[in-house]
Amino acid sequence: DQQVKQNSPSLSVQEGRISILNCDYTNSMFDYFLWYKKYPAEGPTFLISISSIKDKNEDGRFTVFLNKSAKHLSLHIVPSQPGDSAVYFCAATYSGNTPLVFGKGTRLSVIA
Amino acid sequence: EPEVTQTPSHQVTQMGQEVILRCVPISNHLYFYWYRQILGQKVEFLVSFYNNEISEKSEIFDDQFSVERPDGSNFTLKIRSTKLEDSAMYFCASRSGPRVGDFGSGTQLSVL
Repeated sequence: DQQVKQNSPSLSVQEGRISILNCDYTNSMFDYFLWYKKYPAEGPTFLISISSIKDKNEDGRFTVFLNKSAKHLSLHIVPSQPGDSAVYFCAATYSGNTPLVFGKGTRLSVIA
Repeated sequence: EPEVTQTPSHQVTQMGQEVILRCVPISNHLYFYWYRQILGQKVEFLVSFYNNEISEKSEIFDDQFSVERPDGSNFTLKIRSTKLEDSAMYFCASRSGPRVGDFGSGTQLSVL
């Protein structure tokens, strides 16, 4: 039962270009979405989030877009940097205290 | 910057043995979680803990698992009789406000 899906296991992007990571969800109760970044041998690190009342949230080079009708969100990183190379997890939750439901992650490689 | 710390970073055990994974959440956080990630799979929720009791648990968190907050700072996950399929990276997380959790670096558990 994959409530949160990241269908691309990996993505390679040239340094300086835009990285777009996609995430789909099935549970319409989700009202808050998060992106976490994970380096090897480290825990997930919070990157950016968006509430379902918004369709866009921006923080520096990172922007998350939410399309509720399509149950789809995306993370844009521009410009991409080699240090952005990591596994990116999409996660979703609802009603404040429920645990995060994660996707399987997308491994981003930014090539210099 | 305060962080969630987990010990040990690696734990190797024989099948059927008991293991205790330890976590020190961020001191003013109120909600505590254990997640795990089997190699190549998504991060899965195990259990959440609030106000000195389990608030939610997943199907994975069966009678072999237990959690404790013995002294107000540590948060432990015990597996009574480990199985091969318990081999995974176990992450502790904590949060104060809604939604966003801070994760530890994880304990890699290998059951032989």
